[in-house]
Amino acid sequence: AQKVTQAQTEISVVEKEDVTLDCVYETRDTTYYLFWYKQPPSGELVFLIRRNSFDEQNEISGRYSWNFQKSTSSFNFTITASQVVDSAVYFCALAEDYKLSFGAGTTVTVRA
Amino acid sequence: EAGVAQSPRYKIIEKRQSVAFWCNPISGHATLYWYQQILGQGPKLLIQFQNNGVVDDSQLPKDRFSAERLKGVDSTLKIQPAKLEDSAVYLCASILGSGGYNEQFFGPGTRLTVL
Repeated sequence: AQKVTQAQTEISVVEKEDVTLDCVYETRDTTYYLFWYKQPPSGELVFLIRRNSFDEQNEISGRYSWNFQKSTSSFNFTITASQVVDSAVYFCALAEDYKLSFGAGTTVTVRA
Repeated sequence: EAGVAQSPRYKIIEKRQSVAFWCNPISGHATLYWYQQILGQGPKLLIQFQNNGVVDDSQLPKDRFSAERLKGVDSTLKIQPAKLEDSAVYLCASILGSGGYNEQFFGPGTRLTVL
């Protein structure tokens, strides 16, 4: 069974638009962590954020923000005022029992 | 600080041939992972090492895949014989300590094409 679902396969926006990426996860554990990684065309996965299951505070880091809601098992990611350099594949991942399970990814294309 | 190194970056082989990939993790990182990423999908864990011991290889197709990390530093992943469905990017990642809840640092990957 898929543990992490990223329903959006591709999103295309014009520069300066906001982009929200959805992530829904499934787990029976009470202790788990959620991650977002970015994979630019170069191929190397870049860590963006980690959130544990006991911390539901939303977080903002520059143009990035994350909304974690345990009630709906969602961990959504928003890029504000998108830029061309944000074009990449974004992966949501769930860590339980010390293992990472990745979603299928959402390809974001930002057009100038 | 140097990142995770992988080689080769690209490899093209014919089915039934053998291939090996190499990974050198970040210095001091005890835990090393190999992932397979098929086009259009997220990475899937193949094997996890802590130092030179295997922690989890439950998703490694052991009839054709093998991996080792003899001195607890660099690691090799081998496929013998390769099948068409093995075409993918093979990613290596490392982590400080043993906890899978920490940030994993990924290498650039090896793109394998099996013809």
